Amino acid sequence: EVQLMESGGDLVMPGGSLRLSCAASGFSASNAWMNWVRQVPGKGLEWVGRIKTKGDGGATFYAAPIKGRFTISRDDSKNIVYLQMDSLKSEDTGVYYCTSGEVGYAHDGYWGQGTRVTVSS
Amino acid sequence: DIQMTQSPSSLSASVGDRVTITCRASQDIRNHLGWYQQRPGKAPKRLLYGASTLHSGVPSRFSGSGSGTEFTLTISSLQPEDFATYYCLQYNSDPRTFGQGTRVDIK
Repeated sequence: EVQLMESGGDLVMPGGSLRLSCAASGFSASNAWMNWVRQVPGKGLEWVGRIKTKGDGGATFYAAPIKGRFTISRDDSKNIVYLQMDSLKSEDTGVYYCTSGEVGYAHDGYWGQGTRVTVSS
Repeated sequence: DIQMTQSPSSLSASVGDRVTITCRASQDIRNHLGWYQQRPGKAPKRLLYGASTLHSGVPSRFSGSGSGTEFTLTISSLQPEDFATYYCLQYNSDPRTFGQGTRVDIK
């Protein structure tokens, strides 16, 4: 069974940093493009960024509001994907989800339960 | 960036009703569209990808159609567990973009 589990959410002050982890099980994350999506409480879904497989070059792409502040990486030996968040702002507050790819592979289309990030002084 | 516009933003329906939600893209995205369901307090779940292919385990009362810039999600007979918010997502190009969501409430 494909499962994704995020961790690392916390209360952090503006300007601070946080690293979120997404542990994959039931499949090899090394074969999957992985995404991060966030949601401000009571609002819609916002795509944060994506990392390709190493086989596809491992490229990352980020949404404009977080570009230059957030970094997605992967440790395929541990089956974990990370979201490093620096220079955090109050508007980064929300629930962060990791998701597997969007197309039709058996491991695609799954979401974790989310981890909550609160940026406040 | 590709803009995704869903309509309606909310609707009220009864159990057994047929419900249709529309998603329009600001440019051609071929069939690179997914539909997601989010129940209150829960993580989203994928319903369809490739505009019309059911995700594993999703009931057949959910169906999707469309290509290019106009897409629809249809629930053929609304069930109590289907009261939720639905989102479309284009994955034709980066950045991926979601529609603003359609909330389906009980009438």
